Amino acid sequence: QVQLQESGPGLVKPSETLSLTCAVSGYSISSGYYWGWIRQPPGKGLEWIGSINHRGSTFYNPSLKSRVTISVDTAKNHFSLKLSSVTAADTAVYYCARRKEDYYYYYMDVWGKGTTVTVSS
Amino acid sequence: EIVLTQSPGTLSLSPGERATLSCRASQSVSSSYLAWYQQKPGQAPRLLIYGASNRATGISDRFSGSGSGTDFTLTISRLEPEDFAVYYCQEYGSFFGGGTKVEIK
Repeated sequence: QVQLQESGPGLVKPSETLSLTCAVSGYSISSGYYWGWIRQPPGKGLEWIGSINHRGSTFYNPSLKSRVTISVDTAKNHFSLKLSSVTAADTAVYYCARRKEDYYYYYMDVWGKGTTVTVSS
Repeated sequence: EIVLTQSPGTLSLSPGERATLSCRASQSVSSSYLAWYQQKPGQAPRLLIYGASNRATGISDRFSGSGSGTDFTLTISRLEPEDFAVYYCQEYGSFFGGGTKVEIK
């Protein structure tokens, strides 16, 4: 079945760039759909960060757009997140998910387990 | 950008009771774009409902979704112990509402 796994440093210093990768197994990213990043600060709700498709087309949350870059590597079957100039407010659990488009329905049907990123010096 | 507002913030109910959760959009949303998720502590969200009213694979028929335009509802007909969790609505596979916590009374 389709599985997603986030990886990356658990600790990032303020003002630096957070970098995470989501490895996809059981499905080829080249086959379609968008692939997204979502985060959840401690004790708070879900925040969509942005999404990318296999061609590299992206759309981002406007509130984060100036600091976010999402890229895809179809050869490695993974996609990545970079968030620049981080502050303590970027401390969160970061999830990756598949954004499925199915007969005009749009939803995130497969999620990674999440990875905790702490911003601290 | 469409803003989704969920209410109430917290719902305190007993097992066996009916839960009604609201998701209101700042502008009209296609029903096809509205999804609901359940999240338990320490776990990733799980898809419950897509297209406003379609249950995802393996989801109990205790869960039902309805609504159109700007007002959508998730109903849990009879709360089971495992249903106490936080619920989120989402639009277009992107923006989320703030969530409703269903807690044991």
